[in-house]
Amino acid sequence: DVKVTQSSRYLVKRTGEKVFLECVQDMDHENMFWYRQDPGLGLRLIYFSYDVKMKEKGDIPEGYSVSREKKERFSLILESASTNQTSMYLCASTLGGVGQPQHFGDGTRLSIL
Amino acid sequence: QQQVKQSPQSLIVQKGGISIINCAYENTAFDYFPWYQQFPGKGPALLIAIRPDVSEKKEGRFTISFNKSAKQFSLHIMDSQPGDSATYFCAASKGGGSNYKLTFGKGTLLTVNP
Repeated sequence: DVKVTQSSRYLVKRTGEKVFLECVQDMDHENMFWYRQDPGLGLRLIYFSYDVKMKEKGDIPEGYSVSREKKERFSLILESASTNQTSMYLCASTLGGVGQPQHFGDGTRLSIL
Repeated sequence: QQQVKQSPQSLIVQKGGISIINCAYENTAFDYFPWYQQFPGKGPALLIAIRPDVSEKKEGRFTISFNKSAKQFSLHIMDSQPGDSATYFCAASKGGGSNYKLTFGKGTLLTVNP
């Protein structure tokens, strides 16, 4: 069965810290995504990657960076965490072909104090 | 600029009733329209999807209706059950039928009362 695993369900960090969110998929998918989910704002794309070491900015990339050194792993980095980055972060992956769904992890709820 | 507008933000339906969620899009290049369902504590999961060459797609109690000229599509849940209580997201992509690079609506929280 398809599985996207996010390393932490809950994370509390302090303002100014460098924060790493990790995501691993076991489906050999080329495409991986990071979203943030906020009440009333839905899912907003932060970054995506279509291959190892390849990345593109999504709709809200400011304050974030990503790393994809291996096909199965996609990391989201908050360079200097701020309180407005408190949110639910969702990772997803897909083969990208016709009808192939995005498979989501269960999310990391990140609080920046 | 919000490319996919979803309404209502929340919806309460009695068991056995019909739940209707509406979405409108602006970009005529969109050619694939999936709906995702999210239960509390879980990530979204693909529920049903439609391409613009058909006006309706049905899978069990779930139906998508699509109006290309109006640039609108909607999800109908027939005989709604308490287990359908979840957040529903419409989405759109221009990947030729792919779920690659989706643009999501803001979501609808559906509550089905027993």
